[in-house]
Amino acid sequence: DAMVIQNPRYQVTQFGKPVTLSCSQTLNHNVMYWYQQKSSQAPKLLFHYYDKDFNNEADTPDNFQSRRPNTSFCFLDIRSPGLGDAAMYLCATSRDTADTQYFGPGTRLTVL
Amino acid sequence: AQSVAQPEDQVNVAEGNPLTVKCTYSVSGNPYLFWYVQYPNRGLQFLLKYITGDNLVKGSYGFEAEFNKSQTSFHLKKPSALVSDSALYFCAVREPWAGNNRKLIWGLGTSLAVNP
Repeated sequence: DAMVIQNPRYQVTQFGKPVTLSCSQTLNHNVMYWYQQKSSQAPKLLFHYYDKDFNNEADTPDNFQSRRPNTSFCFLDIRSPGLGDAAMYLCATSRDTADTQYFGPGTRLTVL
Repeated sequence: AQSVAQPEDQVNVAEGNPLTVKCTYSVSGNPYLFWYVQYPNRGLQFLLKYITGDNLVKGSYGFEAEFNKSQTSFHLKKPSALVSDSALYFCAVREPWAGNNRKLIWGLGTSLAVNP
């Protein structure tokens, strides 16, 4: 089945220790998104890629970076995680930005 | 500016009864409207969307939503609730124009509890 996969499902890191979250898709979609979601709040878009074009949200901290080496994979790098970065991180894909977004199961990040 | 409101933080309904989760929106032009559901510690699952056409949209798991342009609403409904429908529901809207940087504007979510 075509799907969006996120690894790991749970990630524990230490304050200030860089961490990378992974997302892959078999849908061959052009767009990949990263969202941050805290405590059953609405998802907050961090950035998205349309093909290789990176689109950062204005209020996304510099601490968050992303890479998309190919169509299938996209990574979220948190350079120096703080306690406030503990959250669920959701990856989503869509054919284009007007189309339905399909989400992965999320990675829950804990910062100690 | 476009916005989405989900006026109820929580909805409680008895199993077997009809359920409604409310959503109103504000957007210039014709909106694209979406409903997603989120179970605990899971990602969001797409339920249904309205772009154009019939105002009554049918989606997954027996859910449907009615687009009402005059009331700027897109309420989610189900004729007979199941305990397994208990989850967090998000309404979202997108402007139908604005190039490749279009993004979803999300409501704050409504927690649905279906009681046995």
